Amino acid sequence: GAVVSQHPSRVICKSGTSVKIECRSLDFQATTMFWYRQFPKKSLMLMATSNEGSKATYEQGVEKDKFLINHASLTLSTLTVTSAHPEDSSFYICSVPATASYNEQFFGPGTRLTVL
Amino acid sequence: GQSLEQPSEVTAVEGAIVQINCTYQTSGFYGLSWYQQHDGGAPTFLSYNALDGLEETGRFSSFLSRSDSYGYLLLQELQMKDSASYFCAVRDDYKLSFGAGTTVTVRA
Repeated sequence: GAVVSQHPSRVICKSGTSVKIECRSLDFQATTMFWYRQFPKKSLMLMATSNEGSKATYEQGVEKDKFLINHASLTLSTLTVTSAHPEDSSFYICSVPATASYNEQFFGPGTRLTVL
Repeated sequence: GQSLEQPSEVTAVEGAIVQINCTYQTSGFYGLSWYQQHDGGAPTFLSYNALDGLEETGRFSSFLSRSDSYGYLLLQELQMKDSASYFCAVRDDYKLSFGAGTTVTVRA
């Protein structure tokens, strides 16, 4: 069964609105979760590392005020795309490390965001 | 920074063997992973190599040469369900950096 869930799976919104994406670890607690972005037929780009109880760590070039991350509990991290624009349209995927060694990650099913 | 190169596409027939190469340049290296992703789906973990050599898991094997900054994924006895994108990823500390992916198409 699924180890990581995401909600919603698909969202269409108007330009200028904000969208919240939830990522839940179903089988175990996760002090760390990762958020990726993937364009069609492209690689997964790490956006940020979500840390339970502290601020997220953003990758270079990712606007922290644009992509708000909250790691509310050991099983839930949320990504909010604020004031979304068409260029934010993408596939957003979260992942949870399988072990403390980070050798394996479990990925969520992804959220397809389309901004009109 | 990290840089990974892998072929963009490979096509093969059912039952064949496919090798997907991955070369990398990294500032830090803990190991090389491989993930499979079907269209519209989540990436799923296939293998992880931290040390040089071959790791075999069923029909899939993965190889690493740290001195050559090179690895490969070997898909044997190809099946139609193996049609997917395959990504190599370098682990640097706790983070993964992914290659652009190789689309494998299996023909009957």
